[in-house]
Amino acid sequence: DAGVIQSPRHEVTEMGQEVTLRCKPISGHDYLFWYRQTMMRGLELLIYFNNNVPIDDSGMPEDRFSAKMPNASFSTLKIQPSEPRDSAVYFCASSLGLDSYEQYFGPGTRLTVT
Amino acid sequence: DAKTTQPNSMESNEEEPVHLPCNHSTISGTDYIHWYRQLPSQGPEYVIHGLTSNVNNRMASLAIAEDRKSSTLILHRATLRDAAVYYCIIYYSGYSTLTFGKGTMLLVSP
Repeated sequence: DAGVIQSPRHEVTEMGQEVTLRCKPISGHDYLFWYRQTMMRGLELLIYFNNNVPIDDSGMPEDRFSAKMPNASFSTLKIQPSEPRDSAVYFCASSLGLDSYEQYFGPGTRLTVT
Repeated sequence: DAKTTQPNSMESNEEEPVHLPCNHSTISGTDYIHWYRQLPSQGPEYVIHGLTSNVNNRMASLAIAEDRKSSTLILHRATLRDAAVYYCIIYYSGYSTLTFGKGTMLLVSP
């Protein structure tokens, strides 16, 4: 398997624009996670899905953020409208299960909002 | 919540063993201990996890104290490629997610 795939790897956009980040989890993994990493806040969970259903979105910072998982092999994280404080590295991860299972992370998308 | 305490940084020489400590005094009996690492400009990478017994895999060993209030990640022979931030994470059985702290930055010198 190619591992977790994320696109784009880098995104530069202007404030107010819509940004869509994409993730393809490892085949067969039932759980998908979206994380954000900044210098100030470290690595924090935004939302996770189980069998394509959002289970916990308490980490989503505000209504400008939304995530979908239309099928088992694809998820998106959308920011609309984007703001400079959204600049961060966004990681997607997938796993077979929860506490006794490891998570596999993608390479991340570095987002810069000017 | 089971919080973890790790040193901010540690240094090692190449080909020497490295012991990375982690304290988690409030851990519950069914909480798993996970270790991840993050190399520069990469996503976190799973290293090892355990519950009560010591664990070994191709990357490292995990030594868990008998009272489970602390654990140690052991890299048997550090290489330059092991330079990374190492995160000790308690995966709460009542929670469903990993909570990353600040981790330990491991510096490896040739």
